This record gives sequence, structure tokens and C-alpha cells, in this order.
Amino acid sequence: EPEVTQTPSHQVTQMGQEVILRCVPISNHLYFYWYRQILGQKVEFLVSFYNNEISEKSEIFDDQFSVERPDGSNFTLKIRSTKLEDSAMYFCASSGGIANTEAFFGQGTRLTVV
Amino acid sequence: AQSVAQPEDQVNVAEGNPLTVKCTYSVSGNPYLFWYVQYPNRGLQFLLKYITGDNLVKGSYGFEAEFNKSQTSFHLKKPSALVSDSALYFCAVRDPMIKAAGNKLTFGGGTRVLVKP
Repeated sequence: EPEVTQTPSHQVTQMGQEVILRCVPISNHLYFYWYRQILGQKVEFLVSFYNNEISEKSEIFDDQFSVERPDGSNFTLKIRSTKLEDSAMYFCASSGGIANTEAFFGQGTRLTVV
Repeated sequence: AQSVAQPEDQVNVAEGNPLTVKCTYSVSGNPYLFWYVQYPNRGLQFLLKYITGDNLVKGSYGFEAEFNKSQTSFHLKKPSALVSDSALYFCAVRDPMIKAAGNKLTFGGGTRVLVKP
């Protein structure tokens, strides 16, 4: 069964450093997403990406965040200068297309900012 | 704005007993509703969805959910719970009236289910 894969599974970084979280969505999917889950809190939408551009972003997704699809398979989330409060589980997801299709999630990257 | 509420932080049930996880939603139009399950150190796994049609939808692992428009609810149910059903369950909503290109999901806070032997 096709799945969304994320690397690394766990990343520890120092405050102020840049991090790139990587995702390989399901190959024939068209929509890509990043969500995050701070420990003990709800899953929050960060950004959606379609047709090589951001289609929607939340207020969390400020100028420190960026997304890219550098090639036909990878989808990345970059945090330019990490803050302690960026520590969370980051989930990548993809969906096939129209709104009634479910999103498939990766296993997540646990980001710890120290 | 769309929102989801899961009023119970935790549900405890004995193995073999029925399991219900509650979810209510708020959207401007007709909702698309989803349930996901998260096992420890794992990602979110899709269980089932309601888009249109029959209010009772069946999903993976014997789970089902009932859409109730008048009560704006989408409760998850399983007739006979297993210890292996112990996990974190998330209800999510998508409002198709919001521009389709976004397709974002709004999640509830999650309900931890503990099934005791």
C-alpha cells in the first residue's frame, strides 16, 4: 500500500538554526500538507501546497517557514531560525485531489529545539 | 470558520464492550467529516469518512460513525472494543465551501481510548 514517508524521524537542533524536514508524498497525489502537533495538543494545520504553490496557510506559518517541492517526489518544510516553541511533531500529508478524498499522513518528524 | 470539538479527553472501556468516541463540528455548509487514529509514535491513520449519502459509514478495523446533521455530530463507534483499539482518536472536518484548493483539515483535540482486558 502506498504511504507517505518522512525523514528524519527525530531531529534535535539548537535554537536559531535552520532545519529542513523532508517528505515523500504518495506518487499520484496532487495536494500536499504540513501539520504540526505540539506535545499534548491538537493537530494544527500549517500549509497546503498545490500546483507548485501555496494554496492556503495558517497564522502559524509565518516568514520563518517555507515549503518547496524541489523535484517530482520530495516535499520539504524549512524553518529558517528555529525557536523553542517550534518543538513539535510535524506531519506531512498528501491527498489525491478533490475535497472529498482523505489525506494520508506520514509517521511524522519529532523536532526538538534546545 | 470550521471547528471540531471532542468533549472527552479520555474514554475507558472494558474489552468486548461497545466503544463510542464523541465528536461535534461547526462549518458553514455541509461538512466532510473524517476520523483518524494515532497509535504511539505513529502517524495519523485514516479510519473512515462521511461525504454524503448514508448517515452511517463503516470504516477500518470494525469502526463505524454516524453523521447527525441536526446535532452536528459524527460519533465514532465500535460494537465490541479490543485492547488493541487503545490509541488516540481524532475527528476532523473539511468545509467544502471554503476554496477547494486549500482542502485543509481542522482537527479536534483528540480522545484517548483505553480498552482494558
